[in-house]
Amino acid sequence: LAKTTQPISMDSYEGQEVNITCSHNNIATNDYITWYQQFPSQGPRFIIQGYKTKVTNEVASLFIPADRKSSTLSLPRVSLSDTAVYYCLTLGGATNKLIFGTGTLLAVQP
Amino acid sequence: DAGVTQSPTHLIKTRGQHVTLRCSPISGHKSVSWYQQVLGQGPQFIFQYYEKEERGRGNFPDRFSARQFPNYSSELNVNALLLGDSALYLCASSRDYEASNQPQHFGDGTRLSIL
Repeated sequence: LAKTTQPISMDSYEGQEVNITCSHNNIATNDYITWYQQFPSQGPRFIIQGYKTKVTNEVASLFIPADRKSSTLSLPRVSLSDTAVYYCLTLGGATNKLIFGTGTLLAVQP
Repeated sequence: DAGVTQSPTHLIKTRGQHVTLRCSPISGHKSVSWYQQVLGQGPQFIFQYYEKEERGRGNFPDRFSARQFPNYSSELNVNALLLGDSALYLCASSRDYEASNQPQHFGDGTRLSIL
């Protein structure tokens, strides 16, 4: 059973900023929040990971409020090639077992 | 540096046969995990290995087995194949076993089709 909840799908246009929110009400104290991107017939690709507040890298930002019960992945100025499924996961404790939900299918249109 | 590599990329088998899938982790990574991804769903955890020992098992039948070698590469074996075993099999590696702040990195998988 997935430990996170996220929208099934989202639509956007090229050049827009896209924010995908994930709910993880039962996140444990030691859990990190991790986002993956997956294209058809490829393995999931690590995007970003964070524990609290804000994390930014060259492709995305991750916003985590103080209660850590949700997080938002922000993709600036999306392009057609950002069309993919995005997975939000929480990871922690005595295992590296990842529990995937169904993810969010982001469709970017011209 | 090379990422996680898996072989073969595609495989076609018939029901009742046996299959072996192979995975080479990123250099320096000691933990390997296997996932099954059925079309339209997220990956489902099968096994985790660390230092050649099984450290976790998902809800899969005993027909599924795996092992890890001294060089940290791994094999996933599936016996008595069923039609429902058709899926993308993914391998992921990470540096350590208990490493919540060290993400797993995935290969592009082996597409297994059962006829």
